[in-house]
Amino acid sequence: DQQVKQNSPSLSVQEGRISILNCDYTNSMFDYFLWYKKYPAEGPTFLISISSIKDKNEDGRFTVFLNKSAKHLSLHIVPSQPGDSAVYFCASLGSGSEKLVFGKGTKLTVNP
Amino acid sequence: GAVVSQHPSWVICKSGTSVKIECRSLDFQATTMFWYRQFPKQSLMLMATSNEGSKATYEQGVEKDKFLINHASLTLSTLTVTSAHPEDSSFYICSARDQEKTEAFFGQGTRLTVV
Repeated sequence: DQQVKQNSPSLSVQEGRISILNCDYTNSMFDYFLWYKKYPAEGPTFLISISSIKDKNEDGRFTVFLNKSAKHLSLHIVPSQPGDSAVYFCASLGSGSEKLVFGKGTKLTVNP
Repeated sequence: GAVVSQHPSWVICKSGTSVKIECRSLDFQATTMFWYRQFPKQSLMLMATSNEGSKATYEQGVEKDKFLINHASLTLSTLTVTSAHPEDSSFYICSARDQEKTEAFFGQGTRLTVV
């Protein structure tokens, strides 16, 4: 049973517009959430994270929103750039656990 | 951010031979490192958790005798794929967590092709 779900396998956005990547989780013990960006044949790169005590974290063009009651988080990228084209993984960490649980990823394509 | 170096980035080996992949944390100490495998168009699958100075903890379905993990120091973990077969061809990625940070940092990955 998937504990972290990214229901959209792909997303296509025009350059300059907003990209919204969604992630849902089922385990209420998760208290830390991370987003990773991955290019083909490379390891994932950490992008941004959020603790369950917050509902928003912003870093430049990237903002992550957390809705604990809905067990939902989203990553907003604005404005989107062609270099943002990659696969984005949502990951969760439970209290006292060292293991990251990953979603299946969403492939973002930003068109010039 | 912290740096995790993985070597080699790609390797081709003959069926039946063994391959060793190294994972190093370059600017922090990692008591725990993780090894993942990624199949095409799929998510990262955790294979095992490597603890410095002790035996690795393997996920269900992962053969510990086939995927040997050694975490000899706080900055180095190795994964050895023994008696490799074509079905072992995959993208292997390691990660390490800095004890002072929550996020995990990943190596560049190793593309293994068994012919």
